[in-house]
Amino acid sequence: DAGVIQSPRHEVTEMGQEVTLRCKPISGHNSLFWYRQTMMRGLELLIYFNNNVPIDDSGMPEDRFSAKMPNASFSTLKIQPSEPRDSAVYFCASSLARTGGYEKLFFGSGTQLSVL
Amino acid sequence: GNSVTQMEGPVTLSEEAFLTINCTYTATGYPSLFWYVQYPGEGLQLLLKATKADDKGSNKGFEATYRKETTSFHLEKGSVQVSDSAVYFCALSDPGTGGFKTIFGAGTRLFVKA
Repeated sequence: DAGVIQSPRHEVTEMGQEVTLRCKPISGHNSLFWYRQTMMRGLELLIYFNNNVPIDDSGMPEDRFSAKMPNASFSTLKIQPSEPRDSAVYFCASSLARTGGYEKLFFGSGTQLSVL
Repeated sequence: GNSVTQMEGPVTLSEEAFLTINCTYTATGYPSLFWYVQYPGEGLQLLLKATKADDKGSNKGFEATYRKETTSFHLEKGSVQVSDSAVYFCALSDPGTGGFKTIFGAGTRLFVKA
């Protein structure tokens, strides 16, 4: 299995530009998570989906952030417009949720975003 | 709300030293508990887990026991290696959301010197 695949690996953009991060979860997994990691705040859960439906987006910092999961094999996280404080590593993770809990999270390698 | 607190780092040890990284949690219900490890430039990967009280998770020489009475899940290893240098995250699955949501601690960076 190829694991969770994220792209791009690195993204450098200028303030005000739109940024789109992509994620392909592990085949057969029914839950997908977007996390943001910074030195100051650690690992923050932004949003998660179950069976392609957003379940909890309370961690999305502002309306500038949006996420979609059009099908079971693809998700995007979009920032429009981007700001320097959005600079962070963004991780996508997937898992197989079962009644009463789920199996472990599988993380992608992350996207290092720098907004200048 | 539910939360995870772990000891601040960095922790610096010499090779073959004993490791303990403390983790305590606050949760309603009966969460599952996890330790994840992150090596430089990589995503997190599961190190071990425990799903109920008194369970002991173990992997690669690391161990942690689910202590409900003290709400703790401390990570231990008897003899660390340089290759164990990484960031370690304690986490719980939020029972309030049916177990779908994982809450992470702030992470503890470990440096092991040869």
